[in-house]
Amino acid sequence: DSGVTQTPKHLITATGQRVTLRCSPRSGDLSVYWYQQSLDQGLQFLIQYYNGEERAKGNILERFSAQQFPDLHSELNLSSLELGDSALYFCASSVLGQPNNEKLFFGSGTQLSVL
Amino acid sequence: GESVGLHLPTLSVQEGDNSIINCAYSNSASDYFIWYKQESGKGPQFIIDIRSNMDKRQGQRVTVLLNKTVKHLSLQIAATPPGDSAVYFCAENIIGTGGFKTIFGAGTRLFVKA
Repeated sequence: DSGVTQTPKHLITATGQRVTLRCSPRSGDLSVYWYQQSLDQGLQFLIQYYNGEERAKGNILERFSAQQFPDLHSELNLSSLELGDSALYFCASSVLGQPNNEKLFFGSGTQLSVL
Repeated sequence: GESVGLHLPTLSVQEGDNSIINCAYSNSASDYFIWYKQESGKGPQFIIDIRSNMDKRQGQRVTVLLNKTVKHLSLQIAATPPGDSAVYFCAENIIGTGGFKTIFGAGTRLFVKA
């Protein structure tokens, strides 16, 4: 158990809908990361937050947004969902979000199916 | 681009053999590299890391080698048990404005036959 909690584990929804994925980082970790894992695109970095502030951005679509709350949990909002958004979404956390010496701790993921 | 799943490179070894998984990274400015293991239904899990000022680092049963000249990483697993069957990812930390991104390679699926 990595200590990172993601809910829900599975989500089935329809095209055009909006969903929210939730992540609680490990106790003491200030930085949260979101990744998307699909069969044809591997693990794609979406976005990073550190202590409530956006730190780094990857290939995140404009239909997607995220935030980190004062209690350090994070939510990833996916809107106007398309079939191609079906994927496994991972949250990871690290202590400070600093380069060179920080490994990521991943949750078990949320499997999103858009029908 | 990256690709996993149906198109993952696969390595099949016999239980007890040594395994070597290779990875090419893209950014010559990257200075921190990590290997992760992902078992079915789980998130990636840290195995071992190495900084760019080193060319070798050893852990328990695992060794990572870094060749900066050709931008190549390898993970060596000694006496591989069936429980090591998983997908293995190398990752590099790329420093950008205000933060860093951990970018994952395509992954290699390791099958360990009992």
